[in-house]
Amino acid sequence: GESVGLHLPTLSVQEGDNSIINCAYSNSASDYFIWYKQESGKGPQFIIDIRSNMDKRQGQRVTVLLNKTVKHLSLQIAATQPGDSAVYFCAENAGNDMRFGAGTRLTVKP
Amino acid sequence: EAGVAQSPRYKIIEKRQSVAFWCNPISGHATLYWYQQILGQGPKLLIQFQNNGVVDDSQLPKDRFSAERLKGVDSTLKIQPAKLEDSAVYLCASSLLGRKETQYFGPGTRLLVL
Repeated sequence: GESVGLHLPTLSVQEGDNSIINCAYSNSASDYFIWYKQESGKGPQFIIDIRSNMDKRQGQRVTVLLNKTVKHLSLQIAATQPGDSAVYFCAENAGNDMRFGAGTRLTVKP
Repeated sequence: EAGVAQSPRYKIIEKRQSVAFWCNPISGHATLYWYQQILGQGPKLLIQFQNNGVVDDSQLPKDRFSAERLKGVDSTLKIQPAKLEDSAVYLCASSLLGRKETQYFGPGTRLLVL
């Protein structure tokens, strides 16, 4: 399944499928990006980050891709599990603070 | 290691009333942040402290919001008087000095203004 950040704020996938969550960022000077996961009733939790001198970074079951040409960031989750159900935010390092996108809600169907 | 603590977890008030939120950051974290997260949106920074000094409060509605971190550890955020549009989750986060990329968030205080 694939989403486009602000324009499609929900994504529903079958357990075991791969998920792709997209984010368009605003500041071409941003040099650092983070993906956060926020479960209901909890604060955002760091998942993975990437610096602007990279275009891909992998973690455990997650991969972040950065396309600076079109100011686009994506989070890929492999073999999505029910525990991955949450809202996912991208954040960019915009000068003095980290600026968050609106988020995408991921729902994993068993 | 204990995480960021916030209280209360939930608060319901009527408009024009006052409310205060408390945050205890991770031990040793010099930088503390307060965010406002309106339903369906990402967190928005309200104020950032470094020790007991304010680094950035450019997005804090100063006519009704105030925050302090007198001893450089715990912090309180106050709203007086509250408006309906202040209904949101108020998140506190902390980080080591100069490490805004690595923020640890508390569970938040959910505020409902009626």
